[in-house]
Amino acid sequence: GENVEQHPSTLSVQEGDSAVIKCTYSDSASNYFPWYKQELGKGPQLIIDIRSNVGEKKDQRIAVTLNKTAKHFSLHITETQPEDSAVYFCAASTPPRDTGRRALTFGSGTRLQVQP
Amino acid sequence: DGGITQSPKYLFRKEGQNVTLSCEQNLNHDAMYWYRQDPGQGLRLIYYSQIVNDFQKGDIAEGYSVSREKKESFPLTVTSAQKNPTAFYLCASSPRQRPNTGELFFGEGSRLTVL
Repeated sequence: GENVEQHPSTLSVQEGDSAVIKCTYSDSASNYFPWYKQELGKGPQLIIDIRSNVGEKKDQRIAVTLNKTAKHFSLHITETQPEDSAVYFCAASTPPRDTGRRALTFGSGTRLQVQP
Repeated sequence: DGGITQSPKYLFRKEGQNVTLSCEQNLNHDAMYWYRQDPGQGLRLIYYSQIVNDFQKGDIAEGYSVSREKKESFPLTVTSAQKNPTAFYLCASSPRQRPNTGELFFGEGSRLTVL
């Protein structure tokens, strides 16, 4: 089945700096790659996603890039702010025709701390 | 407000006891999911259901059971057979779109501690 690896596990940046979180996936058939943000004591929330027919997507200070050949995708946060501090998860999903599975596989998470 | 409600938020259980975690959604979503969250391991899929009266095992289903008798409800039972049940449990739902391309909406989680 699909395996998603995420790095780093913790990341500390100064306010205003950029943060980059990287994920790799194993199944070349995976075609959907969302990123979720989890604040303390809450459930994860979708912040951005990308599909396999696109190489990059941007939403204000957040961008995601996808390299299908290398099977990796990254989250980029520019001009970080203290409220960006949270745990971030990447995920991947494979079409069910290949696996019968209709659910996401998540990475292990990155704890981002933005220092004021 | 539409959303997913999990209860209880905190739960303590003695070894050997079964416990049921509640998950209710009023988003009219077809699909519902249970994930387990442990430090450093991300979210691991326990069970999921695409439609009422049907559910599938995820990656770590052993020691857990579910039911889906109503569209709005997807309770998870942690049985005494689960060897390491202390964890944070997250329920999620999604509309029935093209498979695997829809946003997941998560509840706020239930933290289970086995004493």
